[in-house]
Amino acid sequence: EAQVTQNPRYLITVTGKKLTVTCSQNMNHEYMSWYRQDPGLGLRQIYYSMNVEVTDKGDVPEGYKVSRKEKRNFPLILESPSPNQTSLYFCASSLLAGDRSPLHFGNGTRLTVT
Amino acid sequence: QQQVKQSPQSLIVQKGGIPIINCAYENTAFDYFPWYQQFPGKGPALLIAIRPDVSEKKEGRFTISFNKSAKQFSLHIMDSQPGDSATYFCAAPSYNQGGKLIFGQGTELSVKP
Repeated sequence: EAQVTQNPRYLITVTGKKLTVTCSQNMNHEYMSWYRQDPGLGLRQIYYSMNVEVTDKGDVPEGYKVSRKEKRNFPLILESPSPNQTSLYFCASSLLAGDRSPLHFGNGTRLTVT
Repeated sequence: QQQVKQSPQSLIVQKGGIPIINCAYENTAFDYFPWYQQFPGKGPALLIAIRPDVSEKKEGRFTISFNKSAKQFSLHIMDSQPGDSATYFCAAPSYNQGGKLIFGQGTELSVKP
């Protein structure tokens, strides 16, 4: 089954404790992206990757890192999480970047930073 | 920063009603405007999309209306059902960032039986 898999689904952590949210897709998509969803703010892009070893900042990149060493994986790293990073996070992929290529989303990771 | 403005933020209708969700966008270099549907506990999924060489597109009970001169587009759900209760996001391609999608703020729709 074609899918984007994120783990974990739920994560509670404390300020400053490094964490990684994994994302994997099995559709051989070139484009991958991370979003955070907050009430009233919609989906805001954190980082994206056009292909292996090609990553770039989205609209809200502060406090996050990513890497794209393999085509299928695109982990999101929070080196020193803070409470304002409490949010619902989604990984997404598409065949090509942007234009007319549907985004396939994972089921989300709900992160709480205390 | 380019924006897509979506309204209303939440909407409650009775079964059979026709909820309408509106979006307004700024300049865009590409002509592709999708709507995504998100059920609780799930990621958004593509619902319907329009290319503005047409002013309207229908897929089942879902219709997109597009007004290119006003830079607005809207989603209509005919004969709405409780199973349509979800959060809906519109999106528009950015003007200067390789066409990446800019999402609206989302509309939480509740259809009462």
